[in-house]
Amino acid sequence: DTEVTQTPKHLVMGMTNKKSLKCEQHMGHRAMYWYKQKAKKPPELMFVYSYEKLSINESVPSRFSPECPNSSLLNLHLHALQPEDSALYLCASSQGRGRHGYTFGSGTRLTVV
Amino acid sequence: DAKTTQPNSMESNEEEPVHLPCNHSTISGTDYIHWYRQLPSQGPEYVIHGLTSNVNNRMASLAIAEDRKSSTLILHRATLRDAAVYYCILEGGGADGLTFGKGTHLIIQP
Repeated sequence: DTEVTQTPKHLVMGMTNKKSLKCEQHMGHRAMYWYKQKAKKPPELMFVYSYEKLSINESVPSRFSPECPNSSLLNLHLHALQPEDSALYLCASSQGRGRHGYTFGSGTRLTVV
Repeated sequence: DAKTTQPNSMESNEEEPVHLPCNHSTISGTDYIHWYRQLPSQGPEYVIHGLTSNVNNRMASLAIAEDRKSSTLILHRATLRDAAVYYCILEGGGADGLTFGKGTHLIIQP
């Protein structure tokens, strides 16, 4: 299995809702990442997990809460989002610096109404 | 993170080679050079990466300047499916993630 799987592919949520995005990989990669991508912009790094521990939080608002239950799973819990949080949320994983490229999922298209 | 500079867009013809340039004059000695591409409504796709020597794989070739201050991604025979945004990214130490620049929008004409 050489893929990063993200679910759901599309999500519409209200500003008072609580939802979660899920990411899964079975390549044995030790690092996993969340990115946010607005339309016609490059992906922006949000969080980095290394060996299941949060190592980087790029000043992301607390309404985004990451979780890494085990080495294969990464979740992003969403609460009280704003319409400007609507974006493509991408998950990625990597084996280690320089050893291989990063593998990205196809993303979750989130719309906040 | 060291920055990269790429042209905003490039245009090429189908079945011709494409050379996508990237400048990274502030690269450190341990930074890897990565290339990814992203098609509309998809996640970025790994293309190739290298440190000092030129690299070849089934998708492309990576030519790295001797002083490592620039590199070129070479698509040997472009197809319409190669139309995408191509990102040149430097990977520094640790598992810090990749920092994307604006990339090059590659247009392939039939």
